[in-house]
Amino acid sequence: DVKVTQSSRYLVKRTGEKVFLECVQDMDHENMFWYRQDPGLGLRLIYFSYDVKMKEKGDIPEGYSVSREKKERFSLILESASTNQTSMYLCASSFRTAQSTDTQYFGPGTRLTVL
Amino acid sequence: AQTVTQSQPEMSVQEAETVTLSCTYDTSESDYYLFWYKQPPSRQMILVIRQEAYKQQNATENRFSVNFQKAAKSFSLKISDSQLGDAAMYFCAYTGNMLTFGGGTRLMVKP
Repeated sequence: DVKVTQSSRYLVKRTGEKVFLECVQDMDHENMFWYRQDPGLGLRLIYFSYDVKMKEKGDIPEGYSVSREKKERFSLILESASTNQTSMYLCASSFRTAQSTDTQYFGPGTRLTVL
Repeated sequence: AQTVTQSQPEMSVQEAETVTLSCTYDTSESDYYLFWYKQPPSRQMILVIRQEAYKQQNATENRFSVNFQKAAKSFSLKISDSQLGDAAMYFCAYTGNMLTFGGGTRLMVKP
């Protein structure tokens, strides 16, 4: 079974703090993704990576950065957390194809609250 | 940019009955894939069913089937013999270069 794990299920941080969200997958997938999920908006792509040290901006990259130093690990960084970044964050991974057509496997999510 | 619309924020179905969730999308591409993902209350998103746009035959996966109307850009999900475990958020997704999700439909199953 594919397994995608995220470092925390729930996280509470204060405005201005630096926040790290970690994601690890065990299927040797090339692609990894970070989404945020908000009611009524579905999932919106923040960043994705198709290889180690490679990253591409998604639809809403502002206020976020990412790091992929190892194939199995993809980190999302909030440099200075703000209240509008309170959300559910989902990590996903997939095999690389010419288009993003492979099934994505999701982690359990991290519910981040910024006070 | 591609958009995916799920017009039903919430739906309910009686156990053992059939329910259809709607999804429409907008694209100028001819080659793409469509997905339905399920997110139970535990929050782990899982794939329900997937459809390749070049295939005319509708995808089926046990009690789950789709009605894919390419010209109308419509991709609905039918759940037959609904079970309590089907209660979840359902997301329709389109992929050309990247995956674009709809806003989701919350399905409630009444015993």
